[in-house]
Amino acid sequence: DAGITQSPRHKVTETGTPVTLRCHQTENHRYMYWYRQDPGHGLRLIHYSYGVKDTDKGEVSDGYSVSRSKTEDFLLTLESATSSQTSVYFCAILREKDYGYTFGSGTRLTVV
Amino acid sequence: QKEVEQDPGPLSVPEGAIVSLNCTYSNSAFQYFMWYRQYSRKGPELLMYTYSSGNKEDGRFTAQVDKSSKYISLFIRDSQPSDSATYLCAMSAGVAGGTSYGKLTFGQGTILTVHP
Repeated sequence: DAGITQSPRHKVTETGTPVTLRCHQTENHRYMYWYRQDPGHGLRLIHYSYGVKDTDKGEVSDGYSVSRSKTEDFLLTLESATSSQTSVYFCAILREKDYGYTFGSGTRLTVV
Repeated sequence: QKEVEQDPGPLSVPEGAIVSLNCTYSNSAFQYFMWYRQYSRKGPELLMYTYSSGNKEDGRFTAQVDKSSKYISLFIRDSQPSDSATYLCAMSAGVAGGTSYGKLTFGQGTILTVHP
């Protein structure tokens, strides 16, 4: 969708294992975001990036880290997965022309 | 208390009804206001965008922002079954070009069903 893809689409992992989710864009956008979506909470910001190697924490960053070594890729790592991190994770890019987000299709992560 | 409050519904209306969706917020620095629509198992998509106070109309959709009351609304006229989705309000205080540019705070989302 509009040049942004997330992988994997679905993942089941065990408690305590590290997990990395990938967001890839093809349109050279500067700003990228990782959100998680849970019932009753809407979308909450985990981490975001405002350029290569430039990242910052969002509202719910504990237990997560990110990296952006090139413009097109923004990686989200769960350092040691816990059941509370079971969620749907969305990556988004900011379209600076109209201040709108384009979201990826989401990654459904289950931690057992 | 959350920075952005949105009634999660669910809201069920007959086809052709006028739908009103609302959000309140507490951060007076918010100046960009958006509505996103999310179909089941899809990512949200931008529906309407308003800067500061005022109204904006796009087809059957009207967005209103009242900064003095910290209240935003989305109206859907002549609602259709295809409008059935979750509607999320979102807002931002980010300064253009700054590092926090584009950071959005979302409401919880309202689930809307329009039945034929």
